[in-house]
Amino acid sequence: QQQVKQSPQSLIVQKGGISIINCAYENTAFDYFPWYQQFPGKGPALLIAIRPDVSEKKEGRFTISFNKSAKQFSLHIMDSQPGDSATYFCAASMGGSQGNLIFGKGTKLSVKP
Amino acid sequence: EPEVTQTPSHQVTQMGQEVILRCVPISNHLYFYWYRQILGQKVEFLVSFYNNEISEKSEIFDDQFSVERPDGSNFTLKIRSTKLEDSAMYFCASSYYNEQFFGPGTRLTVL
Repeated sequence: QQQVKQSPQSLIVQKGGISIINCAYENTAFDYFPWYQQFPGKGPALLIAIRPDVSEKKEGRFTISFNKSAKQFSLHIMDSQPGDSATYFCAASMGGSQGNLIFGKGTKLSVKP
Repeated sequence: EPEVTQTPSHQVTQMGQEVILRCVPISNHLYFYWYRQILGQKVEFLVSFYNNEISEKSEIFDDQFSVERPDGSNFTLKIRSTKLEDSAMYFCASSYYNEQFFGPGTRLTVL
């Protein structure tokens, strides 16, 4: 019940395309859902986050869609660029942004020029 | 821009030895965390620390692990007797009342 399931494991997208990564959870006590971006040799960096009272949040080219009834949330990267090539992790927490983060297994995104 | 720093970047140790991983969180942050990432796997929570005490810990964080904030700026993770399976990247993170900021990690290799 503490798991966050993420798919796909890897994703190849052409430059300018839309990248979509999906996550699902079981525990309805989760109240904070961030997406982290990680480049090789670096720590995860927060990309965008959402709380369950909102169905969508957009920041620049990055959008989180949140479906509370389905217990799913997804990251959409519009106009994907080669610089977006990284590993993306979804996560969930029960204690807001200070709570311990339960991470998905990650999606390795490659954006081809 | 303030950032979380970690030392060393890479630590190699023999099985059974003690290691201390060090972190300097962002200066005004109040919440501190350790996570680990075994190569190719997901990031896993180890422990959180607030107001000079552990606030939450995972089942991974057994008696071999301890954390300390010895001087108000550093935040350390000690592994008393390392095992082969402790080989991983260890990330420190800190937070004020918002997002968790992660450090660059310490790669621990246990031989």
